[in-house]
Amino acid sequence: GQNIDQPTEMTATEGAIVQINCTYQTSGFNGLFWYQQHAGEAPTFLSYNVLDGLEEKGRFSSFLSRSKGYSYLLLKELQMKDSASYLCAVRDSNYQLIWGAGTKLIIKP
Amino acid sequence: ETGVTQTPRHLVMGMTNKKSLKCEQHLGHNAMYWYKQSAKKPLELMFVYSLEERVENNSVPSRFSPECPNSSHLFLHLHTLQPEDSALYLCASSQDLAGEGGELFFGEGSRLTVL
Repeated sequence: GQNIDQPTEMTATEGAIVQINCTYQTSGFNGLFWYQQHAGEAPTFLSYNVLDGLEEKGRFSSFLSRSKGYSYLLLKELQMKDSASYLCAVRDSNYQLIWGAGTKLIIKP
Repeated sequence: ETGVTQTPRHLVMGMTNKKSLKCEQHLGHNAMYWYKQSAKKPLELMFVYSLEERVENNSVPSRFSPECPNSSHLFLHLHTLQPEDSALYLCASSQDLAGEGGELFFGEGSRLTVL
């Protein structure tokens, strides 16, 4: 079966750096997405990786290794507003999105 | 107008009621989706429409009935639901079904409680 694994919950300190991992086993691969979802709000797109390597967007970076079935989302200079759930999703060979259960990130002052 | 708008935001219904969820997108997208989001579970894809035609129905019980009258509007009609159907129902749209990038734009969801 197809599976996406990510930690259920993580805690980090304001101003610090946190890395949220995502491992996947899917039927083929056509890209990996990260979304952010604040409590009671819509998920919003953060990043898309289809080739190996690091994509940087301001304080957020996303890394992909297709050979290892692995990605991470790196958040730098954490702010209280970064407290949210982070969803990893992989598009398989049929262009279907397979979702992880999300990682709830708690930022402490 | 925000990109994807869902109404109502909250809905409480009995198991014998009939209600509908509405979704409207103002992005000119061709594909629209219904997802179910339950606590600590992955998003579950329910229905997909492309250019107003249903292209996917992921074994969803018949008590959920989608309707897509045009490319901007999507409905989810609900009848004789069960308590386990209580969840957040998210509508999303994308430019097309697949292709490079092709991120989803989500509405804020309709929180459904079935008593």
